Amino acid sequence: NAGVTQTPKFQVLKTGQSMTLQCAQDMNHNSMYWYRQDPGMGLRLIYYSASEGTTDKGEVPNGYNVSRLNKREFSLRLESAAPSQTSVYFCASSEGPTTEAFFGQGTRLTVV
Amino acid sequence: GENVEQHPSTLSVQEGDSAVIKCTYSDSASNYFPWYKQELGKRPQLIIDIRSNVGEKKDQRIAVTLNKTTKHFSLHITETQPEDSAVYFCAANLGGKLIFGQGTELSVKP
Repeated sequence: NAGVTQTPKFQVLKTGQSMTLQCAQDMNHNSMYWYRQDPGMGLRLIYYSASEGTTDKGEVPNGYNVSRLNKREFSLRLESAAPSQTSVYFCASSEGPTTEAFFGQGTRLTVV
Repeated sequence: GENVEQHPSTLSVQEGDSAVIKCTYSDSASNYFPWYKQELGKRPQLIIDIRSNVGEKKDQRIAVTLNKTTKHFSLHITETQPEDSAVYFCAANLGGKLIFGQGTELSVKP
């Protein structure tokens, strides 16, 4: 039982490049989330998926897109990376919005 | 808009003292308020949560209180130990989404 798995753990991009962050959970959870963590800013919600086939914008969605590929997987795509997107990205999942959220190990992304 | 405010941003206490972290939320329909602890370089992990039908909840040295009228909730840690040093986040479900506060960096000095 791996929980929530994110790939990659580290990534360096050049401005303008694109990439997809992968997230998978094996707990049969309905809800999945993508957050970014910046010093002094806490965990800010980028996108949220309440169930397979649905996605919703969070607090800071600009510059990102998501895909809920199936119940297990929720990917985050940066189409044209910018230095402002340098951050640590966390994927999380939960049975629903009123139950414990389990986090992946995080992806440290640097855009130069 | 939907938001959670958390104070203070940093907190330093002596070992054995108590620590209190406070949060407020914007959506009166919120009904779930978890607290997460994040150690340096690690992922956030749930330490305690409270639902809107309860005013207080305790788990050993940790307690949370909730005031639905004022939309305030707090984390209380008693008899602090050096291993309590970490960043603590409050959160609330706002509009069906889990929204976090800005975090409090707690330092417990031996």
